[in-house]
Amino acid sequence: DVVMTQTPVSLSVSLGGQVSISCRSSQSLVHNNGNTYLSWYLQKPGQSPQLLIYKVSNRFSGISDRFSGSGSGTDFTLKISRVEPDDLGVYYCGQGTQYPWTFGGGTKLELK
Amino acid sequence: EVQLVESGGGLVQPGRSLKLSCAASGFTFSNYYMAWVRQAPKKGLEWVATISTSGSRTYYPDSVKGRFTISRDNAKSSLYLQMNSLKSEDTATYYCARPPPFDYWGQGVMVTVSS
Repeated sequence: DVVMTQTPVSLSVSLGGQVSISCRSSQSLVHNNGNTYLSWYLQKPGQSPQLLIYKVSNRFSGISDRFSGSGSGTDFTLKISRVEPDDLGVYYCGQGTQYPWTFGGGTKLELK
Repeated sequence: EVQLVESGGGLVQPGRSLKLSCAASGFTFSNYYMAWVRQAPKKGLEWVATISTSGSRTYYPDSVKGRFTISRDNAKSSLYLQMNSLKSEDTATYYCARPPPFDYWGQGVMVTVSS
């Protein structure tokens, strides 16, 4: 199984600041078809997860350009700039390249 | 607007069965793979099952293989999860979601396995 490791586990940020979350996979996430199925999700308190980024760097419909994804192979990063109160919650990375699909353990973003 | 609405959760004893349902609307259900993802209390996300558009192919992690069965009724735009031989570690909120990636999620339904 592909193990997804997220760091840090928690992060404190000031409003308007910038943060980065790392996600590393135990195997390459490049699919046989050439795509890399690495996604990022945000779960706000008391809500269902929502998709932010898919295939490493593509923002989902309606997602602010303050969110950006990058990386390749086994090493990926989510950056959030100009942090707003609505950005707080737990961020998860997830891979859909290989079954079983797996998620990282989550990174909790809190206000400093 | 895409909507996924789960139902069927509740309290069940270990070893018993439960069937979850997910009613989909706002998109052509039969054109999409569908999936279930769960989240144990205060824990992270765990993928539980995926089904192909026709229902002919299903996929499960080892943790539920042989106990859970995902199915669908395209005429009713509905997704199901039959859960048998339930264990305490199956206690979680179960989400219906549309993969891949999981671009839409339901509100979730709680399943508690306890005597």
